[in-house]
Amino acid sequence: GAVVSQHPSWVICKSGTSVKIECRSLDFQATTMFWYRQFPKQSLMLMATSNEGSKATYEQGVEKDKFLINHASLTLSTLTVTSAHPEDSSFYICSAILGGRIEKLFFGSGTQLSVL
Amino acid sequence: GENVEQHPSTLSVQEGDSAVIKCTYSDSASNYFPWYKQELGKRPQLIIDIRSNVGEKKDQRIAVTLNKTAKHFSLHITETQPEDSAVYFCAASLESGGYQKVTFGTGTKLQVIP
Repeated sequence: GAVVSQHPSWVICKSGTSVKIECRSLDFQATTMFWYRQFPKQSLMLMATSNEGSKATYEQGVEKDKFLINHASLTLSTLTVTSAHPEDSSFYICSAILGGRIEKLFFGSGTQLSVL
Repeated sequence: GENVEQHPSTLSVQEGDSAVIKCTYSDSASNYFPWYKQELGKRPQLIIDIRSNVGEKKDQRIAVTLNKTAKHFSLHITETQPEDSAVYFCAASLESGGYQKVTFGTGTKLQVIP
């Protein structure tokens, strides 16, 4: 199947710093990528939908100035957690759609963010 | 917006028994219902899916049923094996604002006891 690469796998940072997470579709072009947040023992919460060449669409309750999303190319979307605080600690995971078909939704391996 | 509820949150079965996970959705416009399996520390993987024009779909030991009228769908795993132990997520998808939106259920942690 198609491969979605996400980096880093885990990151520990100090409160107040910014952290960038990358999501790459390695063997296909993804016009749409999704970013999720997953708390322990909980479901995947959609944060935003990232479309190549346009502004991301954020879900209700997600601060767009806090979670900056850039989808500058057909194979790369980035999520930047700005001025991170301990409450931002979570597992962040991206996904990408192959060929615009929802049936071809592939997930990245996730990033565990710990803010001290 | 769409709301997807999933039950049970945890499920323990003996190896060889069947497991059933149920989900309900709220938006009748949802037309695609995938199921994902997430093993510990790994990414979710699609295991089976169904579209709204189909009532049932089967793939070896896994089957999914959909009741559009009642707005619920279920995952059935027969002859469970220890490697089936994982967290399973249902999801409902609909087109909104020109793009496809996916809403996940809360997950079911399945434990298959050898």
